[in-house]
Amino acid sequence: GAVVSQHPSRVICKSGTSVKIECRSLDFQATTMFWYRQFPKQSLMLMATSNEGSKATYEQGVEKDKFLINHASLTLSTLTVTSAHPEDSSFYICSARDKTGGNTIYFGEGSWLTVV
Amino acid sequence: GIQVEQSPPDLILQEGANSTLRCNFSDSVNNLQWFHQNPWGQLINLFYIPSGTKQNGRLSATTVATERYSLLYISSSQTTDSGVYFCAGNTGGFKTIFGAGTRLFVKA
Repeated sequence: GAVVSQHPSRVICKSGTSVKIECRSLDFQATTMFWYRQFPKQSLMLMATSNEGSKATYEQGVEKDKFLINHASLTLSTLTVTSAHPEDSSFYICSARDKTGGNTIYFGEGSWLTVV
Repeated sequence: GIQVEQSPPDLILQEGANSTLRCNFSDSVNNLQWFHQNPWGQLINLFYIPSGTKQNGRLSATTVATERYSLLYISSSQTTDSGVYFCAGNTGGFKTIFGAGTRLFVKA
């Protein structure tokens, strides 16, 4: 079946640095991808919709300059957490829409970010 | 806006017991799904069930779209069933909106 891969699965970075998380659709083209954030013991909150070839659409309250999203190809979207702070530590997960596969949405494995 | 509400928030079961998890959703939600998130964070799609009933082993789900609710049944629970169960619905723009989840712990 269709697979969405995220990398890295775990990352630790220092405060003030930037970290990039990749989301790849492995066997289908994803014109639309979604990024979620999950705090401990909480639900998944949609951060933004990533559209191939255009700017991402951010949900209310999500800082665009803080969470940079690039969807440069039909199989890759990246989330860059800029100038990371400890409060950015979280579980980030992406999903991708298979437009030719009945609009089925597949989720990646998630990425654990720890900012120290 | 989109609303997905789940109950109960927490559930403790003795191994072998059965349980029912509920999801209420607003009328703008479609393509209802159930997910299980294991302790490592991995999100596993259990059912895609906009309406009707589906079964997969010890799990089954029923969605009554006209009354805007869905139920997830877990029979003969096992310790490996522990984790968080999320109900989620898609919007017209294909965004998946999650409920708050039901945290299940199955005791041996």
